[in-house]
Amino acid sequence: AQSVTQLDSQVPVFEEAPVELRCNYSSSVSVYLFWYVQYPNQGLQLLLKYLSGSTLVESINGFEAEFNKSQTSFHLRKPSVHISDTAEYFCAVSESGTASKLTFGTGTRLQVTL
Amino acid sequence: DSGVTQTPKHLITATGQRVTLRCSPRSGDLSVYWYQQSLDQGLQFLIQYYNGEERAKGNILERFSAQQFPDLHSELNLSSLELGDSALYFCASSVSGRMDEQFFGPGTRLTVL
Repeated sequence: AQSVTQLDSQVPVFEEAPVELRCNYSSSVSVYLFWYVQYPNQGLQLLLKYLSGSTLVESINGFEAEFNKSQTSFHLRKPSVHISDTAEYFCAVSESGTASKLTFGTGTRLQVTL
Repeated sequence: DSGVTQTPKHLITATGQRVTLRCSPRSGDLSVYWYQQSLDQGLQFLIQYYNGEERAKGNILERFSAQQFPDLHSELNLSSLELGDSALYFCASSVSGRMDEQFFGPGTRLTVL
C-alpha cells in the first residue's frame, strides 16, 4: 500500500515570491507520482506527473517537481507565483505498471497575496 | 472543462435514504473512477471500472455500489445514508486506465441531514 504526506496544510506567499509545496510518499513498490490542482468549486486538474525518465518534470504554467527516490519526495516548486495560482494542491501516488487508483495526500492550500 | 460530466451538482437528502450519482466520461475514455472528498478522510479512491468491468476497489463501503453501463456512463449508488457520507464525490475518466491521465469531473456535493 502507498501513502502520501503533505506536511503543510496551508502556505501563504506574496505574489512574485518563490514557493515550495512538500510531498513525501511511502511505498514498497515502484510508483508514479502526480500533482493535481483544485481551484475553488472545481474538479481536480493534472498539473504534472512523473512516470519514468528525467526526475525533473515541468508544467506549462511554470511549476516543476523533482522526484527524489532516496528521500521519497516529490516537492512542487515555482520560482515566482501569481495571484491566479491560489488553489489547493494535491500530491498523489499510484503503483507503477498499473497507474489505476490514485492515493492522495491531504492537500496544501496555496494562498497568494499582493 | 475536462469533458467529464456529473449529475446532479448538488444533492440534499436525509439519513437512511438512497441516492444515485451519475457520471459521463470523456468521449473515447473507457475507464471510470470514483473518489470521495471529505473533510475527515480527504480524497479517497472508491472504485474503478474499465469497459463495464470492475478493475480496482478502494475504500468503498458495502452500502455503496457502482456500475458502468454499455454506453460507458457510470452510476454510484449510496444507500442507508449516514451523516458521515456527506462529501464531494468526484468521477474521473481515462482512456485505458493504465499509465494515462485521469480527467476529473466537477463533482457532486452530497449533503445528508
